Amino acid sequence: DVKVTQSSRYLVKRTGEKVFLECVQDMDHENMFWYRQDPGLGLRLIYFSYDVKMKEKGDIPEGYSVSREKKERFSLILESASTNQTSMYLCASTPIGFRKNTEAFFGQGTRLTVV
Amino acid sequence: LAKTTQPISMDSYEGQEVNITCSHNNIATNDYITWYQQFPSQGPRFIIQGYKTKVTNEVASLFIPADRKSSTLSLPRVSLSDTAVYYCLVGANNNAGNMLTFGGGTRLMVKP
Repeated sequence: DVKVTQSSRYLVKRTGEKVFLECVQDMDHENMFWYRQDPGLGLRLIYFSYDVKMKEKGDIPEGYSVSREKKERFSLILESASTNQTSMYLCASTPIGFRKNTEAFFGQGTRLTVV
Repeated sequence: LAKTTQPISMDSYEGQEVNITCSHNNIATNDYITWYQQFPSQGPRFIIQGYKTKVTNEVASLFIPADRKSSTLSLPRVSLSDTAVYYCLVGANNNAGNMLTFGGGTRLMVKP
């Protein structure tokens, strides 16, 4: 089974802290994604990576950065956490391929609260 | 990825068949249609994918008309556990790099 693992299920951080959310996948997928999900707003793409050290901004990259030093790991970084970044964060991965690259596998999510 | 439009919410009763339609007028020739299911406090889960006509698996059926400008996810005899948000995605990419963008989804509520 494909496994996408997020390092924390729940996280509480203080305003101004630097926060790292880690995501690891074990299926050698090329593409990895970070989303945030808020009530009534659906899933919004923050950043996307299609290869090691490669990244693309999604719809809402402001206040976030990412790191992909190894193929299996994609980290989301909140440089200075703010209360409006309180949200559910979801990581996903997909293989490339003509048909398969819309078949995404998601982690369980990290519910981050910034106080 | 092509933009998709789905109803915001739907209600149904246990045992009924539920059909959720997604509009994707700008679908490209190479695009596939993919549906996801998301339960509260979980990540979305792949349900079904198709290109044309009809696809069926153990969970659902997907109907795609000849013009491919819409698709219908069909859930047979729903139960309470089918209460979830259902997302329709349209896209494909022959190369690395596919920005998987989700729309608002359809919130299905199954009542007893």
